[in-house]
Amino acid sequence: SQQGEEDPQALSIQEGENATMNCSYKTSINNLQWYRQNSGRGLVHLILIRSNEREKHSGRLRVTLDTSKKSSSLLITASRAADTASYFCATDAWVDSSYKLIFGSGTRLLVRP
Amino acid sequence: ETGVTQTPRHLVMGMTNKKSLKCEQHLGHNAMYWYKQSAKKPLELMFVYSLEERVENNSVPSRFSPECPNSSHLFLHLHTLQPEDSALYLCASSQLPLAIHEQYFGPGTRLTVT
Repeated sequence: SQQGEEDPQALSIQEGENATMNCSYKTSINNLQWYRQNSGRGLVHLILIRSNEREKHSGRLRVTLDTSKKSSSLLITASRAADTASYFCATDAWVDSSYKLIFGSGTRLLVRP
Repeated sequence: ETGVTQTPRHLVMGMTNKKSLKCEQHLGHNAMYWYKQSAKKPLELMFVYSLEERVENNSVPSRFSPECPNSSHLFLHLHTLQPEDSALYLCASSQLPLAIHEQYFGPGTRLTVT
């Protein structure tokens, strides 16, 4: 099973609405990162939140982290059609004798104009 | 695409072909990565290089052979691939090969094995 799992798998909203995506993970972390991927393209780093932080903002993005629940959320406010993409959380984890960044399966966001 | 370039962007190859994917980063980073992204599967880390030395090989079949001649360039040599190897191959770089650093990705090479 995955270190990070996003929920929901797919989300469709109207332009102007807010979009909330959640990420749950299993083991303790030092940081959690959110990435965005437009269809068939590379991932773009959005925000990194450290384990001692509870909330972080970047423009229309707000990320929260609850280490007691091992979960994070990404909120996109006032969504635009251009926000249509897949969003991934990534957590650091000790896997197979090394420290890695493990990505979840992603949430596919569709923002309807 | 933010300082990491990949060529070619699309590649179709037969199972007996030999081809290479190229990645170049212009960010002055010391770590580079190859990932495989298949449909409906999480991103799979294949190889990690730190200062031109391979520090990670995640049980990748030998038909994939990485090469890192310097800290700015990374190659993935392909030979006798299988149809299930069809995927988007992503290159990434980071300041250091540690999971605390954000990674910068290239646009990917869409590989189709026929």
